[in-house]
Amino acid sequence: DAGITQSPRHKVTETGTPVTLRCHQTENHRYMYWYRQDPGHGLRLIHYSYGVKDTDKGEVSDGYSVSRSKTEDFLLTLESATSSQTSVYFCAISVAGGEETQYFGPGTRLLVL
Amino acid sequence: SQQGEEDPQALSIQEGENATMNCSYKTSINNLQWYRQNSGRGLVHLILIRSNEREKHSGRLRVTLDTSKKSSSLLITASRAADTASYFCATASYNTDKLIFGTGTRLQVFP
Repeated sequence: DAGITQSPRHKVTETGTPVTLRCHQTENHRYMYWYRQDPGHGLRLIHYSYGVKDTDKGEVSDGYSVSRSKTEDFLLTLESATSSQTSVYFCAISVAGGEETQYFGPGTRLLVL
Repeated sequence: SQQGEEDPQALSIQEGENATMNCSYKTSINNLQWYRQNSGRGLVHLILIRSNEREKHSGRLRVTLDTSKKSSSLLITASRAADTASYFCATASYNTDKLIFGTGTRLQVFP
């Protein structure tokens, strides 16, 4: 998985609790992305980062925030988890944004009860 | 909103047959990429084709791009059971850092 790890790999939480997912890379790539994958929707971009402290919103950013204080770490926070945020979350990295390949992490399965 | 739409949504074939998947998109693109996802795993990049290219090959994979029709196809020749997976196309527009993924084609190859 191209030097990308995600933690936790599985999480069950309750509605209303905050949740933070971590993506860690060892490739020193500039770009990092958070996607969610749901049946019938493919992958949808939540937020992405184009450098330390530089982030932007994706297609489905409501209810999510991100932070990137180091090149290697990109955190996704669900401020107050809802059942609609039950999903599989994937992190991806890229050398050159949309110009080149993205490399994906193994995913985090989140269940919000 | 989805940029790419794959067709068919699901495809079942026998080992040794060829599998063809299509992707249509809506706006001008810089490049189009194909990814594979095995069940329960992350996506793996297969091939990238740029807007000024018409065809690319990688092993048993052949990708074509028709920018006039805003469509691409992925051909897997002499399929194997190990090719069973979901296949996604993703498009990158000019001056963007993002890819937009389609909903995928689920390929089942029977031994």
